[in-house]
Amino acid sequence: NAGVTQTPKFQVLKTGQSMTLQCAQDMNHEYMSWYRQDPGMGLRLIHYSVGAGITDQGEVPNGYNVSRSTTEDFPLRLLSAAPSQTSVYFCASSYGAGQVYEQYFGPGTRLTVT
Amino acid sequence: DAKTTQPTSMDCAEGRAANLPCNHSTISGNEYVYWYRQIHSQGPQYIIHGLKNNETNEMASLIITEDRKSSTLILPHATLRDTAVYYCIVSAHNAGNMLTFGGGTRLMVKP
Repeated sequence: NAGVTQTPKFQVLKTGQSMTLQCAQDMNHEYMSWYRQDPGMGLRLIHYSVGAGITDQGEVPNGYNVSRSTTEDFPLRLLSAAPSQTSVYFCASSYGAGQVYEQYFGPGTRLTVT
Repeated sequence: DAKTTQPTSMDCAEGRAANLPCNHSTISGNEYVYWYRQIHSQGPQYIIHGLKNNETNEMASLIITEDRKSSTLILPHATLRDTAVYYCIVSAHNAGNMLTFGGGTRLMVKP
């Protein structure tokens, strides 16, 4: 199994540009989520999904959209990039209800917005 | 949601036990204690979790006090590769309840 994969690894955007961060998992996990991590800080939850077709907002959802059309994929869209969105973005997945504890994280996407 | 308090940083000598404390005085009855760690620039890695009993796996031991207001993660024989930020998280096992990461403890294992 490849586990949780994220693309791209690095990205530089100009203010106002849009882009999609890709996340895929091959473990047939129901739950998937997106976190951001600013320098020296812990992770903050952006959006999460408890299954295909179901998404919900986390702690810091503004400026981001998600969709979950398949079990495997959970892309994160930045609608109009701002310097405040410069961060490292981690995608995670886990088994369904009752087993949320063990989340598997991807390697991260390092995004810089100028 | 219950919050946790951890020391900002700790040092440990290589080969010795690393004991990382966590306070969670407002934990609810249905909330578990989880521990994750994040090695520099990598995604967090699950270590262990528990409800009220002490737990042990191949990576670590988790000691939870009887009143559940605090816990300790123990790495029995710390190595240089255990240098990381360790996060203590409390959360319930219900649908949609994702993990909330605080600042964590930066553990430095020294030769």
